[in-house]
Amino acid sequence: SSELTQDPAVSVALGQTVRITCQGDSLRSWYASWYQEKPGQAPVVVIYAKNNRPSGIPDRFSGSTSGNTASLTITGAQAEDEADYYCCSRDSSGNHRLFGGGTKLTVL
Amino acid sequence: QVQLVESGGGVVQPGRSLRLACAASGFSFSSFGMHWVRQAPGKGLEWVAVIWYDGSNKYYADSVKGRFTISRDNSKNTVYLQLNSLRAEDTAVYYCAREGYSNGYRFFDFWGQGTLVTVSS
Repeated sequence: SSELTQDPAVSVALGQTVRITCQGDSLRSWYASWYQEKPGQAPVVVIYAKNNRPSGIPDRFSGSTSGNTASLTITGAQAEDEADYYCCSRDSSGNHRLFGGGTKLTVL
Repeated sequence: QVQLVESGGGVVQPGRSLRLACAASGFSFSSFGMHWVRQAPGKGLEWVAVIWYDGSNKYYADSVKGRFTISRDNSKNTVYLQLNSLRAEDTAVYYCAREGYSNGYRFFDFWGQGTLVTVSS
């Protein structure tokens, strides 16, 4: 399969923990990276290669991978984390990139 | 600081062409692969194309292969996307993104603000 599947929407209570998942066959061979997109802004990488955070990304963001599923976990979600989240990986050839359909996170 | 600034978007009729440009600054442009990613109104991100740091390899999404061409001019720190035979479904904000690398892994570490392409008669 050359697709990455995400739940369209997820909600979390303020201060609680939420996990956003991404499924696809390519994840058995390639790590995912995760991007946060807020309205009117360009995407920002929050996690790359399983569980690496770029500088400036809070440590409440973490990543993991198991089999064909990559996960982004936000521990202690804040109001400013409300956004769309996209996973991204490579296809089986390694030359193309794939994005998941995106997950809209609502912080209640 | 790293900056990516896209230009060239606009309204174009179906079947016509457009060329987008992404001007880079604040880093050694010739050392990085560059991508184009698009987002149709109200939809998710879709990867479009990549060009290696030296222009030696280019890859395209199936949805644009044969119609779009990515290129770069390292002397001008600019990456281009030539859009031919445009269709209504090509309407989107087009982002350029740098392929950064850290700890041996690659990802999109910087993005431009995007340029809107609207295909309509």
